[in-house]
Amino acid sequence: DGGITQSPKYLFRKEGQNVTLSCEQNLNHDAMYWYRQDPGQGLRLIYYSQIVNDFQKGDIAEGYSVSREKKESFPLTVTSAQKNPTAFYLCASSPRTSESGKEYFGPGTRLTVL
Amino acid sequence: AQSVAQPEDQVNVAEGNPLTVKCTYSVSGNPYLFWYVQYPNRGLQFLLKYITGDNLVKGSYGFEAEFNKSQTSFHLKKPSALVSDSALYFCAVRPRGYSSASKIIFGSGTRLSIRP
Repeated sequence: DGGITQSPKYLFRKEGQNVTLSCEQNLNHDAMYWYRQDPGQGLRLIYYSQIVNDFQKGDIAEGYSVSREKKESFPLTVTSAQKNPTAFYLCASSPRTSESGKEYFGPGTRLTVL
Repeated sequence: AQSVAQPEDQVNVAEGNPLTVKCTYSVSGNPYLFWYVQYPNRGLQFLLKYITGDNLVKGSYGFEAEFNKSQTSFHLKKPSALVSDSALYFCAVRPRGYSSASKIIFGSGTRLSIRP
């Protein structure tokens, strides 16, 4: 988990509220990612960013939004449009120049909708 | 569609016995192959990867993985299991020729349980 921090560790949201999950990295990586993890479904890509001020939708972007104003930060907002947001959210980063490189993961944020 | 399959939701092994966690993939070309491990309420940790060369790749904590091109498999192995190996294991694949931020495709995970 070293080098990437996610906060908070646990987050509770009422229905209809937007919430923002924080992801910060000090690895000087260009690429950053957000994944959602549900039991038995592995990881699904929400959004990714290759460079500051640029990001792309992943497989399940509906109901989520991101920004990449700084290289080290990639916050994820879970909007009220996301119908089933309760899940474990993982942020990751990797060097942009190495497609064979591994991804480095943060410790995750568990979001629960009350 | 490109996919990664981990056919076993759970693998149970006695401590000291060898273990195998299976992974097969359906991805065009010669993709990069990875194994990650996840402990409860934690992020994923990198174990090993295959890029090219020797089909047997050695990684962290005594794990190794065998690449089989004809069977499009990348099974994770360890000669002697430890109770501390109990965790959730993910196989992952990244197609070659994409940008480095291209999608890694993850399997659904296999829960490994090592009994004393």
